Amino acid sequence: GDSVTQMEGPVTLSEEAFLTINCTYTATGYPSLFWYVQYPGEGLQLLLKATKADDKGSNKGFEATYRKETTSFHLEKGSVQVSDSAVYFCALRVNTGGFKTIFGAGTRLFVKA
Amino acid sequence: EPEVTQTPSHQVTQMGQEVILRCVPISNHLYFYWYRQILGQKVEFLVSFYNNEISEKSEIFDDQFSVERPDGSNFTLKIRSTKLEDSAMYFCASRKERGEMNEQFFGPGTRLTVL
Repeated sequence: GDSVTQMEGPVTLSEEAFLTINCTYTATGYPSLFWYVQYPGEGLQLLLKATKADDKGSNKGFEATYRKETTSFHLEKGSVQVSDSAVYFCALRVNTGGFKTIFGAGTRLFVKA
Repeated sequence: EPEVTQTPSHQVTQMGQEVILRCVPISNHLYFYWYRQILGQKVEFLVSFYNNEISEKSEIFDDQFSVERPDGSNFTLKIRSTKLEDSAMYFCASRKERGEMNEQFFGPGTRLTVL
């Protein structure tokens, strides 16, 4: 079935370091891909999305490119801040049936000052 | 900006009790969802709802669970007889219509604690 695999955390970085969180997916058809962020004690916020191959989603300095050939959607940011500390979820949406969203396990990011 | 709202933010209940979690989706949305997140784990799909009926449900969504849209604005999740393992954050989401470009908007969640 459809699934998302993302790198295990926690990831600990110093402020201004480069961030990569790997995400790969398995899906039939052509899913849309997403990154959601969950700050401590809060709900899910959409960070960025891409709906077709080679699309690049970007927001708040984060970006991810939909790579169909490698079935990947890795999240990157050139210079992280302490305020980026959160859990990041890679997700895909099946564009059939009930259009449910399937989430990865989440990667916790800690950014030290 | 319109948003999905959920009440209560935190619900504490005794094992075996019924709970109803409430959601108000964005007003012109047609597709509604419930997801749950057990503490420290991933977000899991429970059920999707469209045109007043369930369009898809996961294996988690057993006979103890039901959903309802009792009026034009609310979307509820009922757990008939709660178990300890039902303790989780429950997220409601809504979506406007079919099509790849339509976003799924999540509510802030209701934390359910079963004692």
